[in-house]
Formats: sequence, C-alpha cells, structure tokens
Amino acid sequence: AQSVAQPEDQVNVAEGNPLTVKCTYSVSGNPYLFWYVQYPNRGLQFLLKYITGDNLVKGSYGFEAEFNKSQTSFHLKKPSALVSDSALYFCAVRDLTSGTYKYIFGTGTRLKVLA
Amino acid sequence: NAGVTQTPKFRVLKTGQSMTLLCAQDMNHEYMYWYRQDPGMGLRLIHYSVGEGTTAKGEVPDGYNVSRLKKQNFLLGLESAAPSQTSVYFCASSYWPPQETQYFGPGTRLLVL
Repeated sequence: AQSVAQPEDQVNVAEGNPLTVKCTYSVSGNPYLFWYVQYPNRGLQFLLKYITGDNLVKGSYGFEAEFNKSQTSFHLKKPSALVSDSALYFCAVRDLTSGTYKYIFGTGTRLKVLA
Repeated sequence: NAGVTQTPKFRVLKTGQSMTLLCAQDMNHEYMYWYRQDPGMGLRLIHYSVGEGTTAKGEVPDGYNVSRLKKQNFLLGLESAAPSQTSVYFCASSYWPPQETQYFGPGTRLLVL
C-alpha cells in the first residue's frame, strides 16, 4: 500500500537557521511527490514537486526538497528560516496504482520559526 | 481567474440536518476531489470525480454523496449530519496526467451540534 510518513508533529527553528521537515514514503513504482503548505484558516498551497530528473527540487518561497530513492525520503529544506514560514506542512504522494491519481497525505508537520 | 472556490466558508448544523457544499473551479480541470481535514489525521479523501457526470468513492465516503453535473462544479452533500462530520472540508482540482499539481480551495468549516 502507498503511504507517506511525517515523523515530526512539530519542528521549532530559530529565525535565520536552516530548517528541515522530514518525509518518507512507501510506493510501488516511481513516486510522484509533493509538498504543500497551509497557513491558518487557508487552503493548501503548492510548494514543489518531484516527478523525475534532478534529485534536488526547488520551489516557492525559497524552499527546496531532496529526493533520496535509497532512503525513500523527500525532506523539505530551506537555508534560512523566516518567521513567516511558520505554518503546517504536508507531504503527499500521488497514488498511481488505483487509477484515481489521488493524493495520499502525511499527517502534517507544524513548523514554528522563533524570532 | 478565481481558481477553486468553496461555498459556504462556515456553517453550523444540528444533528440530522442536511446541507450541500459547493466547489467551483475555472481552470477547466478534469479531476476534482473532496477531502476532510481533522487534527492529527492529515487530509482524507471523501469522494472524487474524473470527469463530468462521473464520481467515485474515496477513503471515507460514508455519510456523504456527491454530484458533478457540470465540469466546473463538484457538490458534496450531507443527507443527515452527524457530530462526527464536524471537520474542515477542502475541494481540489487538477488536470490529467497525474504529475499535475492539485489546486485547493480555501475550505469550509462545518460544525455539527
């Protein structure tokens, strides 16, 4: 079965420090991986995705993610955190096995950037 | 270009009442989805549609029905609301093929008393 795990419910980081939000996956075949961010009382906003190609994917707002096939991970990173990055982050994998192409979401990681 | 819109933004229901949530998209997407978001559980798929006139069940379909009479609209119905359906509901849409991004609406907050 396809699944996504976000092992940390919350990540705290000081402003200006690098941040990492972890995601691991389990899929059959090649994974289509996505990161979304949710600000309070808002819908999910797309950050970046990995479909194929370069393992380092760059996205919106200075975020990037590294696809690691051997570790089945797709960690979200940013070199220097901003207070405004504080939000709920979701990793998702696209289900290619059932024909629905639906997302399977992780449970989310709350990022708190401290001034 | 409004993207994905949802109506209403917030609603309070009594147990047993019915209501319909409306999702509209102006991007000509084939695929549309309804999710619910509950604390600590991420987003779970309720129903989805791969085109006008077609719908299918997701992970948690019980107590909900959907219809997609027009390509741009996807309706989610609760025939007899229960407190367990208190949640935030998100609609999303996307193109085919599956590497395309899903676009999400702003959400509907539903409280069932």
